[in-house]
Amino acid sequence: GAVVSQHPSWVICKSGTSVKIECRSLDFQATTMFWYRQFPKQSLMLMATSNEGSKATYEQGVEKDKFLINHASLTLSTLTVTSAHPEDSSFYICSARQASGVGQFFGPGTRLTVL
Amino acid sequence: GNSVTQMEGPVTLSEEAFLTINCTYTATGYPSLFWYVQYPGEGLQLLLKATKADDKGSNKGFEATYRKETTSFHLEKGSVQVSDSAVYFCALSDRGGANSKLTFGKGITLSVRP
Repeated sequence: GAVVSQHPSWVICKSGTSVKIECRSLDFQATTMFWYRQFPKQSLMLMATSNEGSKATYEQGVEKDKFLINHASLTLSTLTVTSAHPEDSSFYICSARQASGVGQFFGPGTRLTVL
Repeated sequence: GNSVTQMEGPVTLSEEAFLTINCTYTATGYPSLFWYVQYPGEGLQLLLKATKADDKGSNKGFEATYRKETTSFHLEKGSVQVSDSAVYFCALSDRGGANSKLTFGKGITLSVRP
């Protein structure tokens, strides 16, 4: 149980295009989903927290117009990197949390490469 | 604010060696503590957790005890295997609230040689 999937697992795009990453909780309802960014050999940095049906809360320094987050249902959240640039290349990881749970369940991550 | 400090890595051990990975934290209140593991090419997986002082989390031969007096949550395993090679992250979560955030340490890479 408690499986979280991400799609796609990797994506390569041209500079200036937008990329959408999906995060799904497969066997539980996720009232809260988190989006992280992980640079090579570094820890995870929380980008934003999203609750189903409401606007995401972004961490300081994260541009909300650059990284659009939608949490339209209890099993799906999407992160859209708009007008991507090479510096946006990174490993993006989502996690999901049940309403009554402690801790988070992580997706396998999405490797984004912007050329 | 909250913070998690892990010992510097990487760590390389021979198979069947004893493992200790240190983790200390700074937090207000009484956080929950976690160890996550990231195997090569995969996402993070919860390894073990402890939600209150003196709790011991254990899984797959790994153990960690929530020590409030020393604000520590060191990870130990008596005999490591090659398959334990991975990156290990210590993390904490504030108690209360649906949006409890995880604060991660920098992670440490463990390599176990046959």
